[in-house]
Amino acid sequence: GIQVEQSPPDLILQEGANSTLRCNFSDSVNNLQWFHQNPWGQLINLFYIPSGTKQNGRLSATTVATERYSLLYISSSQTTDSGVYFCAVLLLNSGYSTLTFGKGTMLLVSP
Amino acid sequence: GAVVSQHPSRVICKSGTSVKIECRSLDFQATTMFWYRQFPKQSLMLMATSNEGSKATYEQGVEKDKFLINHASLTLSTLTVTSAHPEDSSFYICSARIHGGGLVSPQHFGDGTRLSIL
Repeated sequence: GIQVEQSPPDLILQEGANSTLRCNFSDSVNNLQWFHQNPWGQLINLFYIPSGTKQNGRLSATTVATERYSLLYISSSQTTDSGVYFCAVLLLNSGYSTLTFGKGTMLLVSP
Repeated sequence: GAVVSQHPSRVICKSGTSVKIECRSLDFQATTMFWYRQFPKQSLMLMATSNEGSKATYEQGVEKDKFLINHASLTLSTLTVTSAHPEDSSFYICSARIHGGGLVSPQHFGDGTRLSIL
């Protein structure tokens, strides 16, 4: 099956710093989503980004589908950004589609 | 929009009990819903795909007799963990895809159910 690798696995930032999270995938995908899982376990959909660049406030994401990677940028980080960031790719196969998650990047933003 | 409600949020029960978890799409219809399991400090693993009006499709290694899935309407899917044991303790999360949105449309997630079996 498809492999999804996220880096770095852990990241500690000072409040106000910027960061870039990376997601590499081993095969062509039909879609890609970035999620933030907060400390309570809630999974928040950040971006639905099969290709191109999107921005939402302090967050932006870029997917280069031809090179099989996506980047999530967090600018001016805040303590509320702490949690785990997951990248998930979607494959369509014989009319059946499933999301495959990476192992995540655990982010801790300290005051 | 695209709100998915999952209930209960937390369950603690004795070994041997069966536990039912509900997943509802509140403001849209969902022909297809998905059930994931997440162990501590690990990623989400797909357990099964639930299709309205038909049998669920289980991923390899997931016991269909242990994890019963029913998707009786376009807004409700249930997961029943039968005769639960401590090793079934985990965080269970459902998601739903908007009916008519296409197979590659995004999945919308519930807030999860933390199941603890004593």
